[in-house]
Amino acid sequence: AQRVTQPEKLLSVFKGAPVELKCNYSYSGSPELFWYVQYSRQRLQLLLRHISRESIKGFTADLNKGETSFHLKKPFAQEEDSAMYYCALSRGAQKLVFGQGTRLTINP
Amino acid sequence: KAGVTQTPRYLIKTRGQQVTLSCSPISGHRSVSWYQQTPGQGLQFLFEYFSETQRNKGNFPGRFSGRQFSNSRSEMNVSTLELGDSALYLCASSLATGQVNFNQPQHFGDGTRLSIL
Repeated sequence: AQRVTQPEKLLSVFKGAPVELKCNYSYSGSPELFWYVQYSRQRLQLLLRHISRESIKGFTADLNKGETSFHLKKPFAQEEDSAMYYCALSRGAQKLVFGQGTRLTINP
Repeated sequence: KAGVTQTPRYLIKTRGQQVTLSCSPISGHRSVSWYQQTPGQGLQFLFEYFSETQRNKGNFPGRFSGRQFSNSRSEMNVSTLELGDSALYLCASSLATGQVNFNQPQHFGDGTRLSIL
């Protein structure tokens, strides 16, 4: 069965510190991995996806098939990064399997 | 371009009733997916429609159903409501066409918050 695990429900870091939000998945095929973000009073929106291999708002994520992980990283956190982050998996169809989410708080 | 629009934003129903939620996708998007979000279970996939046909289905009972119209607008219906159906129901649309679409992200609406008394 497909499963996405985000081990941290809450993560708090200081502004300027590095951030890493963990995501592990279980899937026997070749999944597509995403990070979605929900800022306060906004709708859920796509942050980045592994096939794009791009950096969005300073965030990057590398798919590690050996460790079945897709951790989200940013070298220097900013206050506007405070939000709810969801890791999600898809196997090509328009069906996303989400993790439980991590609430990131950036302290000034 | 207008985003995904869901109506109504809030609904209050009682046990045993039925409810219909509506979703208008982004213009040009033909794939519409529905998700249920609860504090306990998180975000769970309900079903996906494309060209008026249900293509994918999650693990929900038959009380949860949906349909899609020729203009890609979609509705989902929940019959015989239970207290556990209280949730935020999210709709998402994408440019997905075929069964495999690695480059088509989903765009979410604000959701309909359903409360069952």
